[in-house]
Order: sequence, then structure tokens, then C-alpha cells
Amino acid sequence: QQQVKQSPQSLIVQKGGISIINCAYENTAFDYFPWYQQFPGKGPALLIAIRPDVSEKKEGRFTISFNKSAKQFSLHIMDSQPGDSATYFCAASRDFGNEKLTFGTGTRLTIIP
Amino acid sequence: GAGVSQSPSNKVTEKGKDVELRCDPISGHTALYWYRQRLGQGLEFLIYFQGNSAPDKSGLPSDRFSAERTGESVSTLTIQRTQQEDSAVYLCASSFETGPLRYTFGSGTRLTVV
Repeated sequence: QQQVKQSPQSLIVQKGGISIINCAYENTAFDYFPWYQQFPGKGPALLIAIRPDVSEKKEGRFTISFNKSAKQFSLHIMDSQPGDSATYFCAASRDFGNEKLTFGTGTRLTIIP
Repeated sequence: GAGVSQSPSNKVTEKGKDVELRCDPISGHTALYWYRQRLGQGLEFLIYFQGNSAPDKSGLPSDRFSAERTGESVSTLTIQRTQQEDSAVYLCASSFETGPLRYTFGSGTRLTVV
């Protein structure tokens, strides 16, 4: 049972534009929502994370928006750059003890000049 | 070391053979995780170690899969009698404290079963 649904599967954005990736979760026990960035041949790297006590978190050009009632969260990349081209994964877990992460299926983002 | 090291980086094996994948976590990291990433899919949790015990091995897909960890160091994931559906990138992550907040992933082992 897929507990985290991610869309779109792929996304092409022009340089300087806003990239938006969406995720929805089912398990209401989840209370930690990270986003990972993965370049080809590398492992995923933590980009930004949010807990449900806030509706938005911003770090530089990256913002997570969180809607607890809808069980949805999204990643916004402002002023997208070619170096942002990568695969992005949302994930969720209980921030309790040593909980495993449940990942979305990933979004391949391509930023074109 | 500076990061999580996995070896080999690539492995091609014949169907039915056994393979061992190795993970060297960051020194001092007590928690270690194995995930599997199939082509075009997200990461699937396999097993988690705290020290050398495995409190959660719920993600191991069959009894052909096993893993061990010596102390708070190296872990080995073993797949016996490999099948073509085992082809994937196997990723290891470690963290200093419990919880997912400080995962550091290795670059993975790409396993191809032919």
C-alpha cells in the first residue's frame, strides 16, 4: 500500500520559474515530512523538512507548504536554476524513536535555459 | 570516514547466485538503514539497525534477504539465490541519533541480475 503519493512524475520548468511538486499522505500518524534531492549516481540528500505544527517552512529558494487537514504537502523552488535539475522525493515518518521513512515515487525535475 | 561508503558501486550477477553488499557508516553513527530503489520508483525500506541489533526488519521482501551489522560499524546485506526482480539500487543510510532527522545516504550499490 503506497502511503505517500507524489506528482508529477516529471517536470520541466524554465530557468527563473517556480517548480512545484506535490505529495499526499494517508497515515495520520505521520508527523515528519522531509524532501530529498538526488543527483544521478548519488544517494538522496536531505533538502528541507517540516513538522505539522507549522504550515510553511522556507530555506533560501526552497519552501515547503503543509496542509494538515488535506494531508498534503508541497515543495516550491523559486527562481529555479539548471543546477536544481535532479530527482526530488517527498517522504514521511513518525518523528518518534527510529522510524523508517516512507518515500514518494519521485519527480524528475529539469530546468531549461 | 567523511560519508557513508558502499561497495561495490556496481554488481552484475547471474540469476541464482548469492551477493553481498557492504555499507560503512559514518563513524559514531549508531543507526543504520537499508533501502532499495527500483528503477523509476521511490525508496523502499528494508531493515534498520540500532547498534548491532535489528529492531525493524519488516521491509525485507523474502527470506532470501538478510543483513547483519558488527558493532556500530559495517553492515552487510546478503541476497541469496538472486532473481531478476532483485535488480535495483541498494542504498544505505546512517544517523548519529535515533530518528530520520539526520540520515546520510551512501551512493548505493547498483545490482543487476542477469
